[in-house]
Amino acid sequence: DAKTTQPPSMDCAEGRAANLPCNHSTISGNEYVYWYRQIHSQGPQYIIHGLKNNETNEMASLIITEDRKSSTLILPHATLRDTAVYYCIVRVTGGGNKLTFGTGTQLKVEL
Amino acid sequence: GAVVSQHPSRVICKSGTSVKIECRSLDFQATTMFWYRQFPKQSLMLMATSNEGSKATYEQGVEKDKFLINHASLTLSTLTVTSAHPEDSSFYICSAWDFQNEQFFGPGTRLTVL
Repeated sequence: DAKTTQPPSMDCAEGRAANLPCNHSTISGNEYVYWYRQIHSQGPQYIIHGLKNNETNEMASLIITEDRKSSTLILPHATLRDTAVYYCIVRVTGGGNKLTFGTGTQLKVEL
Repeated sequence: GAVVSQHPSRVICKSGTSVKIECRSLDFQATTMFWYRQFPKQSLMLMATSNEGSKATYEQGVEKDKFLINHASLTLSTLTVTSAHPEDSSFYICSAWDFQNEQFFGPGTRLTVL
């Protein structure tokens, strides 16, 4: 699986949009971009995934650049409960494939 | 989304004893489950891939005789830490893929070995 690079930490004011970047310059054509988050002392939570088109769900939006070498996870209106470590992972889709977690971005949402 | 549960959520044991952790997919069947370990302030490290009806596949450096994995049904995988020692104290997390190609994680089990 392609390696990803994320900033170690970010701060965001509550109510504002949180934009979390991820670089994956060695991504292959059949690799998807997945985002998970982990709140302290809990299991990771799936957020969103995409291949090349932008995706949106009830939690977040995923913007993937045209060359697919980077992406941005957007939390449109961050709340204190969004404080967590956010992991960007690229992997080939298909049943049974394992995920390799990097160090992620610690997002701190403040009043 | 799909739900994965783990039991127990927290366990404290004496050094030298064995501890079993259960991972269940509650509303979907999972032919493959994964076991991760996470030490404080570190990321998740994959330990092994658990396959229903066959032997688990262990990552390099993980002792298969110490971390016994059984995946006897499509909804249950167990991890047994044998002869636990204080260095085995960690946060153990399982996960499984559902039919929509999303991977869901359990809430984790905090193991403390005294």
